[in-house]
Amino acid sequence: AQKVTQAQTEISVVEKEDVTLDCVYETRDTTYYLFWYKQPPSGELVFLIRRNSFDEQNEISGRYSWNFQKSTSSFNFTITASQVVDSAVYFCALSEALGANSKLTFGKGITLSVRP
Amino acid sequence: NAGVTQTPKFRILKIGQSMTLQCTQDMNHNYMYWYRQDPGMGLKLIYYSVGAGITDKGEVPNGYNVSRSTTEDFPLRLELAAPSQTSVYFCASRSTSGSYNEQFFGPGTRLTVL
Repeated sequence: AQKVTQAQTEISVVEKEDVTLDCVYETRDTTYYLFWYKQPPSGELVFLIRRNSFDEQNEISGRYSWNFQKSTSSFNFTITASQVVDSAVYFCALSEALGANSKLTFGKGITLSVRP
Repeated sequence: NAGVTQTPKFRILKIGQSMTLQCTQDMNHNYMYWYRQDPGMGLKLIYYSVGAGITDKGEVPNGYNVSRSTTEDFPLRLELAAPSQTSVYFCASRSTSGSYNEQFFGPGTRLTVL
């Protein structure tokens, strides 16, 4: 069975600080996909990134970066120079296989508060 | 494209009442999903569909029913509402073309059962 653990529940930082959100996953499959979603206070879910299990390259998108390490089954998310608008709940999710029944398994989410 | 739309945005039900949560997507996606999000928790899959006329249970299907008569619509039915069904419900859809694509989520329906 697949599982996603986000051990941090709440993180509070001051604006311009860097912050890393941790994600650890469990799966028996060799092919799988990892995701990060953002849920701002308005409630919608915003897709941030997808990574497949064969691509261990780290990715950077503006102030966001992701560190995928298969050796430790982790897919961590770093926000550089955080801003108040980054305040949200962040979910890490895992999907095995490719069919429709390859359901997303979500972690419990990390509430990030960025103070001015 | 409007993407994935859900109605209503908010609803309060009394125990034992029934209702249908509507979900429509205009992206011609074959795969559609219903999730519920309880406070402090991630999303859990209720039902999913691979196309019109085909549905299957997810992780937490009890107390719910779905139908998929068209590609666009995937309504979720609560027959006898219970307080345990108080939650935020998200509908999502995904394309089947190309490599694995992310699920697109609707804005959610906040349901309270009293």
